[in-house]
Amino acid sequence: DTAVSQTPKYLVTQMGNDKSIKCEQNLGHDTMYWYKQDSKKFLKIMFSYNNKELIINETVPNRFSPKSPDKAHLNLHINSLELGDSAVYFCASRHPGTGELFFGEGSRLTVL
Amino acid sequence: RKEVEQDPGPFNVPEGATVAFNCTYSNSASQSFFWYRQDCRKEPKLLMSVYSSGNEDGRFTAQLNRASQYISLLIRDSKLSDSATYLCVVRIPGDMRFGAGTRLTVKP
Repeated sequence: DTAVSQTPKYLVTQMGNDKSIKCEQNLGHDTMYWYKQDSKKFLKIMFSYNNKELIINETVPNRFSPKSPDKAHLNLHINSLELGDSAVYFCASRHPGTGELFFGEGSRLTVL
Repeated sequence: RKEVEQDPGPFNVPEGATVAFNCTYSNSASQSFFWYRQDCRKEPKLLMSVYSSGNEDGRFTAQLNRASQYISLLIRDSKLSDSATYLCVVRIPGDMRFGAGTRLTVKP
């Protein structure tokens, strides 16, 4: 069983479109994250949710809107996609005791 | 200044070499420390936590110096399979911060 699963793994779309990435974890963790890894490979936090509540919202354009219907799911919706949004987006959940992050396999977004 | 800074790399070493990675962090409220490994086109995975007294896991040794706000990772007897990017990760209150990573290539 995959602990943290993201869909889709690959997404190719045109500028201006709207797209969503879904994430689910079956680890029972309360805290989930979205990270963006750009072409320079730097992992940057975008959002953090704890038990469905937004905890961290880094300086991210409001075209990005996370939604957490329950603590096992954290989805990411992106409006009006731009070229600079091309990156790999990783979902993660955090073990409450050890602090270890468990990542999904990533969703590679390419905006043309 | 970035919150977590690492050696830029890349490191290219022969099999069997010993290689050391350094990391510094700026937030004195940092609570816990980790090294993650990321293979090409894969997700990051925990390599080891870093404890104040230093800790070892097989060929890997991690050290923490809270006074200097410095973390290190030593890999002994490098294997081809150690080739990856190594990420220094620091937990601050409510969040985890990643370094940019250091790429290691171990060659035959």
